[in-house]
Amino acid sequence: GQSLEQPSEVTAVEGAIVQMNCTYQTSGFYGLSWYQQHDGGAPTFLSYNALDGLEETGRFSSFLSRSDSYGYLLLQELQMKDSASYFCAGGFNNAGNMLTFGGGTRLMVKP
Amino acid sequence: GAGVSQSPSNKVTEKGKDVELRCDPISGHTALYWYRQSLGQGLEFLIYFQGNSAPDKSGLPSDRFSAERTGGSVSTLTIQRTQQEDSAVYLCASRSTGGTHNSPLHFGNGTRLTVT
Repeated sequence: GQSLEQPSEVTAVEGAIVQMNCTYQTSGFYGLSWYQQHDGGAPTFLSYNALDGLEETGRFSSFLSRSDSYGYLLLQELQMKDSASYFCAGGFNNAGNMLTFGGGTRLMVKP
Repeated sequence: GAGVSQSPSNKVTEKGKDVELRCDPISGHTALYWYRQSLGQGLEFLIYFQGNSAPDKSGLPSDRFSAERTGGSVSTLTIQRTQQEDSAVYLCASRSTGGTHNSPLHFGNGTRLTVT
């Protein structure tokens, strides 16, 4: 099947580091993407991992382990504006073009 | 246009009525997706269009839901005989190259549908 599991909420303080996990079922898996969504806004793309390892883009890093069917998004130097929901999405059928989203993790950054 | 455009932004309708939701993708994007998002929930896949290929309709929840994409551009999602459980935000996204699964989805701001 195609499902991705994420913790529903995480709270962290400004300036800290937070890791948000995503586990998935492997049938037809191509790669893992991450999207950010602020309240009332549209999801926006953050990163993509096709291969095992760490991808870094500024304060954001994303990690994938295919053998563990697991990935995470790491946010460093947290800012208040990082408060949002973060969704992992797996590329499955249709050559990986069919994206299935996890339920999302709501991140609350406190001063 | 500069981004994915959806209309209307909000729609309130009575139970049993039909509604049409419109999506204008980014010009040149061959892949188009519809998702549904209930309050505080994740994105539920509905349908996927890629170029002139037959759409992937595997996510449509019932036969009351249908979608078309005319001329490889604008798409319309139609919900017939709306029910209260259809209330949600309907998000459209497009992608530059359907065969490249690492190119990002660009989302519109969605249509918030409320069925009373």
